[in-house]
Amino acid sequence: EVQLVQSGAEVKKPGESLRISCKGFGYSFTSYWIGWVRQLPGKGLEWMGTIYPADSDTRYSPSFQGQVTISADKSISTVYVQWSSLKASDTAMYYCARRTGYSSGWSSDYWGQGTLVTVSS
Amino acid sequence: QSVLTQPPSVSAAPGQKVTISCSGSSSNIGDNYVSWYQQLPGTAPKLLIYDNNKRPSGIPDRFSGSKSGTSATLGITGLQTGDEADYYCGTWNNSLSTFVFGTGTKVTVL
Repeated sequence: EVQLVQSGAEVKKPGESLRISCKGFGYSFTSYWIGWVRQLPGKGLEWMGTIYPADSDTRYSPSFQGQVTISADKSISTVYVQWSSLKASDTAMYYCARRTGYSSGWSSDYWGQGTLVTVSS
Repeated sequence: QSVLTQPPSVSAAPGQKVTISCSGSSSNIGDNYVSWYQQLPGTAPKLLIYDNNKRPSGIPDRFSGSKSGTSATLGITGLQTGDEADYYCGTWNNSLSTFVFGTGTKVTVL
């Protein structure tokens, strides 16, 4: 069974660094793009960027370029998103999602359960 | 703000039909496939439609998708209380070189 399992909720202070993770189970991890999606409280979905774990080819949404770093460790089937200096405005739910392997276009068929990040002084 | 525009909300009685529009441009919907996602309260999004009109295994045929030009539409027939959720369209945007989601539509079953 395909699963994406994300790390647990985090509470951090402004200026602190953070890395959250998404571990894939039940499929060939290096064969599928994994993306990160942000959802601010009470708001819609925002695509942050995506990575191909086989070679760590990474693409960022312009809104998130320079704000976060997406990485992967294929040896442990895990992708990450990290912040070097958090802001209160980074408070959100973050989802990872796998690109659908059977579609011609870009869609995401499996999603992680979400990681809630709270940044507050 | 998103480059894909959806109505904030739609509603209908149980058993009725609703349609949700997703309006874009030639650099996104006009040149790429559209997918649709359902997000039930407090849960992760779920893929409903991919490649404009295809349903993943397990998605009932009450859900349908279509695309024409720079717009796409999600249809839900035989509306059920369990369909109350937020729905998002999504597609690749060539000019931004990134995937983009629509603004989202809340479906209410009256």
